[in-house]
Amino acid sequence: GAVVSQHPSRVICKSGTSVKIECRSLDFQATTMFWYRQFPKQSLMLMATSNEGSKATYEQGVEKDKFLINHASLTLSTLTVTSAHPEDSSFYICSAARDRANYKVNTEAFFGQGTRLTVV
Amino acid sequence: AQSVTQPDIHITVSEGASLELRCNYSYGATPYLFWYVQSPGQGLQLLLKYFSGDTLVQGIKGFEAEFKRSQSSFNLRKPSVHWSDAAEYFCAVGGSGATNKLIFGTGTLLAVQP
Repeated sequence: GAVVSQHPSRVICKSGTSVKIECRSLDFQATTMFWYRQFPKQSLMLMATSNEGSKATYEQGVEKDKFLINHASLTLSTLTVTSAHPEDSSFYICSAARDRANYKVNTEAFFGQGTRLTVV
Repeated sequence: AQSVTQPDIHITVSEGASLELRCNYSYGATPYLFWYVQSPGQGLQLLLKYFSGDTLVQGIKGFEAEFKRSQSSFNLRKPSVHWSDAAEYFCAVGGSGATNKLIFGTGTLLAVQP
């Protein structure tokens, strides 16, 4: 159990177009999902925290109008890169925390397989 | 400030040799600590985690890590490395609560020589 599926795994798009990446928790519900960005040979940088039924919380320096996040259900969060440019090319990874009844104990984050975005 | 430091960017070990990857953290509250492994172009797989209790934690693939509060460290170890262990390893720290926001170290790239 506790599988997170991210789609697509790879996408190439033209500059100026928009790309949507999906993150699904397949066998558990996730009130909170996270979107990370990873540049080549670097660590993961948190972009935003996606909250089901409410607005996402963005980290400092992340353009919320460029990286649109929607968390419409307890099993699906989407990241849309709007008007993509070559500098947006990166590896995007989502994670979902499996909720526990008491919400007092942290739980591990389950990661998707990642999406390699290339903007040409 | 909350941070994770992995001092070794790149480590090379011989197959069969022991391995220790270092991780130091700075965190204002009780830390929850994780080690993840990432193969090229892939997502992250959890190796092990520490929330509380026994400070020596056993994980998958023969890995273990020891939480040392006095040293603010959570080093990853394996007694005998296999060629398939070659990958990038990330240490991460988070806090309690359902939000599970993680702060990652910069990673250590492990190469395994035959």
